[in-house]
Amino acid sequence: GAVVSQHPSWVICKSGTSVKIECRSLDFQATTMFWYRQFPKQSLMLMATSNEGSKATYEQGVEKDKFLINHASLTLSTLTVTSAHPEDSSFYICSARPLRLAGEEETQYFGPGTRLLVL
Amino acid sequence: AQKITQTQPGMFVQEKEAVTLDCTYDTSDQSYGLFWYKQPSSGEMIFLIYQGSYDEQNATEGRYSLNFQKARKSANLVISASQLGDSAMYFCAMRGGTGGFKTIFGAGTRLFVKA
Repeated sequence: GAVVSQHPSWVICKSGTSVKIECRSLDFQATTMFWYRQFPKQSLMLMATSNEGSKATYEQGVEKDKFLINHASLTLSTLTVTSAHPEDSSFYICSARPLRLAGEEETQYFGPGTRLLVL
Repeated sequence: AQKITQTQPGMFVQEKEAVTLDCTYDTSDQSYGLFWYKQPSSGEMIFLIYQGSYDEQNATEGRYSLNFQKARKSANLVISASQLGDSAMYFCAMRGGTGGFKTIFGAGTRLFVKA
């Protein structure tokens, strides 16, 4: 089956530093990748949608300058949390939508998530 | 606007019994997809089952079945013969329509399976 990896799986950083999280589709090409944030005991909230080679589309209320998304290739998207603060501590999950032929069922595959703790 | 509602924050079920997790949705679109995901404590999202809005039959995948009632806009998940390993968080999700390929999630239901 299709596999999506995230790196790192855990990160602890000091307040004010920037953290980069990578999302890779390992055995397929992804036209679109999605970034979600999940606070403890809450649901997944979509942060942004990224398409390879174009600017990401951010959901309402998500700061573009704070959460930088780069989708440099069909297998890699990165989320950079700039000047991280304790309130940014969360579980960040990416998902990837594979390239599909017309008529094929569309689906998305989730990465294992990255836990960010900002001290 | 599209919305997913899961009204059961937590559910308990005895091992080997069946359990129904409720999900209602709101959309004005005709074409959409409904999903259920399982999230164990490790955090990974595990796809369980999918129902398309035009599918006439309820989806089934092993012990999972989706009770799709389009007129009521409900998509309840039924887990038969519950196992201890089924204890996890369960999310109902919807994709499609005016949301495009974006998927929105409900608040989730935590299922506890008792031995």
